[in-house]
Amino acid sequence: QQQVKQSPQSLIVQKGGIPIINCAYENTAFDYFPWYQQFPGKGPALLIAIRPDVSEKKEGRFTISFNKSAKQFSLHIMDSQPGDSATYFCAAWGGSNYKLTFGKGTLLTVNP
Amino acid sequence: ETGVTQSPTHLIKTRGQQVTLRCSSQSGHNTVSWYQQALGQGPQFIFQYYREEENGRGNFPPRFSGLQFPNYSSELNVNALELDDSALYLCASTTSGSHEQFFGPGTRLTVL
Repeated sequence: QQQVKQSPQSLIVQKGGIPIINCAYENTAFDYFPWYQQFPGKGPALLIAIRPDVSEKKEGRFTISFNKSAKQFSLHIMDSQPGDSATYFCAAWGGSNYKLTFGKGTLLTVNP
Repeated sequence: ETGVTQSPTHLIKTRGQQVTLRCSSQSGHNTVSWYQQALGQGPQFIFQYYREEENGRGNFPPRFSGLQFPNYSSELNVNALELDDSALYLCASTTSGSHEQFFGPGTRLTVL
């Protein structure tokens, strides 16, 4: 059972564009929603995270929008750059196992 | 402050063998989690250790086992390797009560 569904699987934008990656979750016990960025051959790096009592959070060019009633959240990257080309994972934390449940990832390509 | 480190970087084993992967937590972190990331997928939680005891486990068989040492370094042991165990194994550390997990670069395991 996939508890965190992520889309799209891949995304191509031009430099300066605003890619949007969406995630939906099922388990209402989740209480922390981070986004990770992963470059080839590297481990995931924490980008930004949000808790369900907040509808939006901005850190630099990265923004999370959170819709608790719809059980959905999304990542927006403002003024995207070629260096943002990477795989992005949404995740959710909660339940009895003290674990992160990850989406399947979105491969983002930002063309110059 | 040093980050999470893992060793070895790459490893090749044959089916049926046993393997030990190692992780050094980020300074000040007392909780470590292990994840398996298959190619093109998001990381999947294996288990978590706190105070040298396992305190959460994902859907992995008992041949996946771990240890945490008093200095908070950790090992992941996998017995009776199967071809499907080929993956990137990630270690993540955090402080007790925090949801912010910091990942190491991973160990790429190939089972032939």
